[in-house]
Amino acid sequence: GAVVSQHPSRVICKSGTSVKIECRSLDFQATTMFWYRQFPKKSLMLMATSNEGSKATYEQGVEKDKFLINHASLTLSTLTVTSAHPEDSSFYICSARDISLDREKLFFGSGTQLSVL
Amino acid sequence: GQQVMQIPQYQHVQEGEDFTTYCNSSTTLSNIQWYKQRPGGHPVFLIQLVKSGEVKKQKRLTFQFGEAKKNSSLHITATQTTDVGTYFCAARTSGTYKYIFGTGTRLKVLA
Repeated sequence: GAVVSQHPSRVICKSGTSVKIECRSLDFQATTMFWYRQFPKKSLMLMATSNEGSKATYEQGVEKDKFLINHASLTLSTLTVTSAHPEDSSFYICSARDISLDREKLFFGSGTQLSVL
Repeated sequence: GQQVMQIPQYQHVQEGEDFTTYCNSSTTLSNIQWYKQRPGGHPVFLIQLVKSGEVKKQKRLTFQFGEAKKNSSLHITATQTTDVGTYFCAARTSGTYKYIFGTGTRLKVLA
């Protein structure tokens, strides 16, 4: 099946620093990737839809200047948490649609646990 | 905005008992998917339902899509300890590619 690689899996940073999370589709092209945030024992909250070659579409309440998304190629999307604060600590997870295999199925990365001190 | 609720939030069952989780949307859906997330893991796709009233089976798992395409259910027959995890529905409305995840049902199976 399609593989989505997410890196890093865990990051600890100081308050005020920026953190970049990468999401790669390893064996397929993904014109659309999605970024979710998940709090412990909670559901996945869609943050934004990342479209290759164009601006991301953010969900209501998500600050686009805080969570910068770049989808520069068909296999890579990045999420940068700028000037991170403790309340940004969470589990961030990306997913991608494989347009060649199955348009509808989402393939998930393994997630990134962000801890801001 | 669109809301997708799941009940129950938690369910503890004895191994061998059946389990059902229900997913309800505030809006009519184009299709619905089900995912399983093991503790510490990421969501894994289980199935997709598209047609009104559709029923699909995967071994001990039975998935159903409501006639009005606003609700769905996942039923597990004779649970096993390997069924432990959180089950999420993910709903899509027409005109968009994005999926909104349900609130999830966490299943614990006692041996």
